[in-house]
Amino acid sequence: RKEVEQDPGPFNVPEGATVAFNCTYSNSASQSFFWYRQDCRKEPKLLMSVYSSGNEDGRFTAQLNRASQYISLLIRDSKLSDSATYLCVVGSGYSTLTFGKGTMLLVSP
Amino acid sequence: GAGVSQTPSNKVTEKGKYVELRCDPISGHTALYWYRQSLGQGPEFLIYFQGTGAADDSGLPNDRFFAVRPEGSVSTLKIQRTERGDSAVYLCASSPSGKSSYEQYFGPGTRLTVT
Repeated sequence: RKEVEQDPGPFNVPEGATVAFNCTYSNSASQSFFWYRQDCRKEPKLLMSVYSSGNEDGRFTAQLNRASQYISLLIRDSKLSDSATYLCVVGSGYSTLTFGKGTMLLVSP
Repeated sequence: GAGVSQTPSNKVTEKGKYVELRCDPISGHTALYWYRQSLGQGPEFLIYFQGTGAADDSGLPNDRFFAVRPEGSVSTLKIQRTERGDSAVYLCASSPSGKSSYEQYFGPGTRLTVT
C-alpha cells in the first residue's frame, strides 16, 4: 500500500466551480499534513498546512480526519490560475515528508 | 530575499558518467533535503541534512548516490556511473528546522537526462 494516495485526475472544471480533492495516508504516526501546489515544470510550493480542526484560507479549505487517515482540500469559485497539480504531503516528527503523486486540476473558461 | 537555487538547471550526460548537482539553500536554513521527481510522480525523498551531517539518507537508492554539505550551507548531490533510470528532476529544499511541521522551500530543480 502506498504511503500517501491521491486520485491523479485530471479534474476538469469550469471557472467558478467548486472542486474537492481527497488523500489517504497509511502511517498512523503522522503528525504534519500539508497541501503543496506544483505548476507544470515548476517546483512545489506550500499551499496550506492542514490541522485537525480544519482550516480555511480564502477560497481554500482543508480538512483532516485522523481516525480515517484522510485529508481533503476544497477549492471554491475556481479560477483559471488554480490549474496546477495539488500534492498531498504527510510528515512525522523530525522525519522527512512523504508526497503523494498529486492530483491535476484543469480549470477552463 | 533569495530563494533556494540549484545548478545546473539542465544536465545531459551519457550513461556511465559522473555528475554533480549543486544546491544553495536559503541563508540560515539548517535543514536541507534532496528529492527526486519522475514524470507523473510526486517528489521522492533521497537525503536530509541537519547542518553538516546527513540525518537521514534512507532514500538514497543505492551506493552510486552520495551527497555532502561540508559547511552546513551549500550541498552537492553526486551520482556515479549514471544509468538511464536516473533521469529525473532532482529537487532541493531547505527549511529553518528539521521538524516536519515546518514549510520546506524548494529550488527550481535540476533536470537530469542520461542518454
